[in-house]
Amino acid sequence: DAKTTQPTSMDCAEGRAANLPCNHSTISGNEYVYWYRQIHSQGPQYIIHGLKNNETNEMASLIITEDRKSSTLILPHATLRDTAVYYCIVRVQTSGTYKYIFGTGTRLKVLA
Amino acid sequence: GAVVSQHPSRVICKSGTSVKIECRSLDFQATTMFWYRQFPKKSLMLMATSNEGSKATYEQGVEKDKFLINHASLTLSTLTVTSAHPEDSSFYICSARDWSGRSYNEQFFGPGTRLTVL
Repeated sequence: DAKTTQPTSMDCAEGRAANLPCNHSTISGNEYVYWYRQIHSQGPQYIIHGLKNNETNEMASLIITEDRKSSTLILPHATLRDTAVYYCIVRVQTSGTYKYIFGTGTRLKVLA
Repeated sequence: GAVVSQHPSRVICKSGTSVKIECRSLDFQATTMFWYRQFPKKSLMLMATSNEGSKATYEQGVEKDKFLINHASLTLSTLTVTSAHPEDSSFYICSARDWSGRSYNEQFFGPGTRLTVL
């Protein structure tokens, strides 16, 4: 029951903004969108999450379309250390608990 | 804060043996922990949801007799791969939710355990 689709890979020049898109056209009204990233052979690291409003924190910004069918993660000034796989996740509620449904991920490569 | 550890980080075992993987929340209590499996260059697949003091809830297609989960305390969940076979070789990752209110919505992930079955 895949909930999100993401491009397989993207390149970004160091210092430029990295814009990572995600489609979640079947998302329900109370399901949040989360973004995590995973550096090779490590556990995923939380980046940001949102429901319908745009969100910003010290790591990134999350832009969610008004119809909530897609979102974009923005890393404003990408560095080489941002090279990782970025996962767009929908959090679903089932049987009284919340579960993450991971997308296939976008492999971001930041180029010097 | 909100650190999750896993032990061991890497394990190699012979076919037919059982392997136990521990997941600990170090600085918070986790009533709910999750176990994921990840094949090379693939995404994370949820295997089961582990609730402290009760039976785990397994995802469709995951054999509960093969992957035994125990969540006996608020800081420890264990995954035992029974009678392991080479096809069980994978990267196993756990996560935990912090219900204290500090980060209500997030799951915090452990560093993962790489299992290789010979």
